[in-house]
Amino acid sequence: QKEVEQDPGPLSVPEGAIVSLNCTYSNSAFQYFMWYRQYSRKGPELLMYTYSSGNKEDGRFTAQVDKSSKYISLFIRDSQPSDSATYLCAMRGGGNNRKLIWGLGTSLAVNP
Amino acid sequence: EAGVAQSPRYKIIEKRQSVAFWCNPISGHATLYWYQQILGQGPKLLIQFQNNGVVDDSQLPKDRFSAERLKGVDSTLKIQPAKLEDSAVYLCASSLFQVTDTQYFGPGTRLTVL
Repeated sequence: QKEVEQDPGPLSVPEGAIVSLNCTYSNSAFQYFMWYRQYSRKGPELLMYTYSSGNKEDGRFTAQVDKSSKYISLFIRDSQPSDSATYLCAMRGGGNNRKLIWGLGTSLAVNP
Repeated sequence: EAGVAQSPRYKIIEKRQSVAFWCNPISGHATLYWYQQILGQGPKLLIQFQNNGVVDDSQLPKDRFSAERLKGVDSTLKIQPAKLEDSAVYLCASSLFQVTDTQYFGPGTRLTVL
């Protein structure tokens, strides 16, 4: 079993839809949870960063962490064609160990 | 603020040849990472530097891959000899090594081994 599981999709939605992306993990030591967005032929860029459990909102994006269920989510409201990309979850433990454990990434297409 | 620079952007070589990639991190970033990303997968950490020193190279195939970070700034990653399965995007990232420790990625080098 992989430490981080993420459905690779692809996911195709109409413009304006609410998108839900998810990852599950097995290591209870993970404390920092991230969502990266990666456009085609580009490097990943940080989208959302959450410490421990709870919700974090930034514009149309909301990140949720449920440590009891070992489950994290990214919601995109009013999705736009420019949101079409691969979304990668990543997570790590605390202390000086900064090694990120990555999901496979979910490919999202938002159709106009 | 300039981002992470990488070169070349694309490289095509034949198996058993050697290749080198270069990375210039964001100014002041002490930590530098090299990742390998195979199509359809998440990035796989190859090596992590903290200034000049290696923090983690547990997944670096040391019989063919080598990396160095001279003077704690630029870094090079070398593959010698290359195999077909080395075809991937090689990403460089850097961070400040603070509590939040956001990693900033370069555009990557797409390597094709024929």
